[in-house]
Amino acid sequence: DAKTTQPTSMDCAEGRAANLPCNHSTISGNEYVYWYRQIHSQGPQYIIHGLKNNETNEMASLIITEDRKSSTLILPHATLRDTAVYYCIARPLPNFGNEKLTFGTGTRLTIIP
Amino acid sequence: ETGVTQSPTHLIKTRGQQVTLRCSSQSGHNTVSWYQQALGQGPQFIFQYYREEENGRGNFPPRFSGLQFPNYSSELNVNALELDDSALYLCASSLPLGQGVHEQYFGPGTRLTVT
Repeated sequence: DAKTTQPTSMDCAEGRAANLPCNHSTISGNEYVYWYRQIHSQGPQYIIHGLKNNETNEMASLIITEDRKSSTLILPHATLRDTAVYYCIARPLPNFGNEKLTFGTGTRLTIIP
Repeated sequence: ETGVTQSPTHLIKTRGQQVTLRCSSQSGHNTVSWYQQALGQGPQFIFQYYREEENGRGNFPPRFSGLQFPNYSSELNVNALELDDSALYLCASSLPLGQGVHEQYFGPGTRLTVT
């Protein structure tokens, strides 16, 4: 899995958009960008993933640069419940025998009231 | 549909002892993975089981072993506990490939303290 680099921590005001960057400059062509988050005292939770096109679901949007070397996770209207550690992971689509997720230390996002 | 559950929630063991942690996968999930999360770190992959066989392993010694049962529940066993084994142990399950968004569903974890 390609190495990813994220800022250690970020703050965002409640109600504003939270933009979390991730650098994955060595990503290979078959690797997707996955985002998970971990709220305190809980297991990680899947947010979104994408290959090269921008993706949106009910939780967030994922913007991947054209060269695929970086991406941004966007939480459009952050709430206090979005305070968590956010992990960016670059990996191939899972197949039988390849479910492994390689977590870094992530970005600790704090939503400020 | 129930989520991934783990037991026990917390556990205290003494160095040298053995421990068994349990995980019940989400319904219909046939792959289970185990992760170790030390304080302040991201989860580290221990191994995964697919159809009751170990099918992928991280950089953990053989004293970390596991089982997956026909109902896709799973156990993580750790022998000869060391102080550094103190961590949150997470179990994650996933759907068979091709069914839905292929994400991993994590349980709440078991907090193991070795003294």
